[in-house]
Amino acid sequence: DQQVKQNSPSLSVQEGRISILNCDYTNSMFDYFLWYKKYPAEGPTFLISISSIKDKNEDGRFTVFLNKSAKHLSLHIVPSQPGDSAVYFCAATSGTYKYIFGTGTRLKVLA
Amino acid sequence: SQTIHQWPATLVQPVGSPLSLECTVEGTSNPNLYWYRQAAGRGLQLLFYSIGIDQISSEVPQNLSASRPQDRQFILSSKKLLLSDSGFYLCAGGGLEKLFFGSGTQLSVL
Repeated sequence: DQQVKQNSPSLSVQEGRISILNCDYTNSMFDYFLWYKKYPAEGPTFLISISSIKDKNEDGRFTVFLNKSAKHLSLHIVPSQPGDSAVYFCAATSGTYKYIFGTGTRLKVLA
Repeated sequence: SQTIHQWPATLVQPVGSPLSLECTVEGTSNPNLYWYRQAAGRGLQLLFYSIGIDQISSEVPQNLSASRPQDRQFILSSKKLLLSDSGFYLCAGGGLEKLFFGSGTQLSVL
């Protein structure tokens, strides 16, 4: 039972344009969401998070949007840079210390 | 912030051999600790998490076990590896706001 889903396994975007990565979840108890970035053969690094009491959180080029009614969140990267090429994971938790991750989306930013 | 130390970086083991992966945490006391696995073409699967010494929750029935003999030490073990145990194993530590990950161990079972 995949509670957190990233339905797009890959995405290609031109440098300077916007990258939009999507994530859906099924568990309505989730109240905190995170995005991680992962390079090959390395551990994921934290990017940005959002609490369920908000619908938007921004940090530099990264913005996360949360639509609770649709159980959907998205990560926007503007402008996209070649160094952003990586696998992006969304994760969710319900305050029980369990972090459930999605299957990941491989982003390729083309120069 | 926390620093997660994980070793080795790569490991090749024959089927049926034992496994022991160790993870230690710096920069915090009483962390929550986690073992995740990324299999080829798949996401990050939560294997075990621990909120304290000798308090371990298993998420997926499998050939693996975990132990936490000290506050900042988390060990992933197997008595007999299977081919399906191959993957990229990640240790993580954290609390309610985020997880910090180690650099991972690429395990190949042949």
